[in-house]
Amino acid sequence: DVKVTQSSRYLVKRTGEKVFLECVQDMDHENMFWYRQDPGLGLRLIYFSYDVKMKEKGDIPEGYSVSREKKERFSLILESASTNQTSMYLCASSLRAGRYGYTFGSGTRLTVV
Amino acid sequence: RKEVEQDPGPFNVPEGATVAFNCTYSNSASQSFFWYRQDCRKEPKLLMSVYSSGNEDGRFTAQLNRASQYISLLIRDSKLSDSATYLCVVNLYNDYKLSFGAGTTVTVRA
Repeated sequence: DVKVTQSSRYLVKRTGEKVFLECVQDMDHENMFWYRQDPGLGLRLIYFSYDVKMKEKGDIPEGYSVSREKKERFSLILESASTNQTSMYLCASSLRAGRYGYTFGSGTRLTVV
Repeated sequence: RKEVEQDPGPFNVPEGATVAFNCTYSNSASQSFFWYRQDCRKEPKLLMSVYSSGNEDGRFTAQLNRASQYISLLIRDSKLSDSATYLCVVNLYNDYKLSFGAGTTVTVRA
């Protein structure tokens, strides 16, 4: 089974801090994604990457950046955390185009205080 | 209009009942469709892909209606463990990204 591992299950950070969320997948998938999920808003795409060093903005990229230096690792960076970035963050990976669905990591629940 | 739209529910059903719900999508050229299940405070997990001819996996049946642009999920003989949020997922533009509905909540009561 594909495994997508997110480095932290719960995080509490202060406003203004720089926050790194790490995601690693072990099945050589080309595509990786970062979503946030909020009650009533569903899953919203922040950034995705279809190859090493490639990245594309999703629907809500403001306040975030990403890094993909190796195929298996996709990092989400909150440059200066704000309280409105308190959310559940989900990483996902997929093989080729979206014909096969995604596999998600177990999520990071981030609270910014 | 949302690109992938679901009835949020909740659908409250007794054990053993059948429950069914739909999802509509905006792009008639979409090719890939999925149902995901998400338990409270957990990640979404693939329940089943949806094929043109319809498909079944145990008590779960998925259908695709291209003419009306909707997919459906039917759960027979509901179990308490079926209580979850079911996400409709569509590869709307046949590219890297999947589009997610907001989810339909199902609660099965004893």
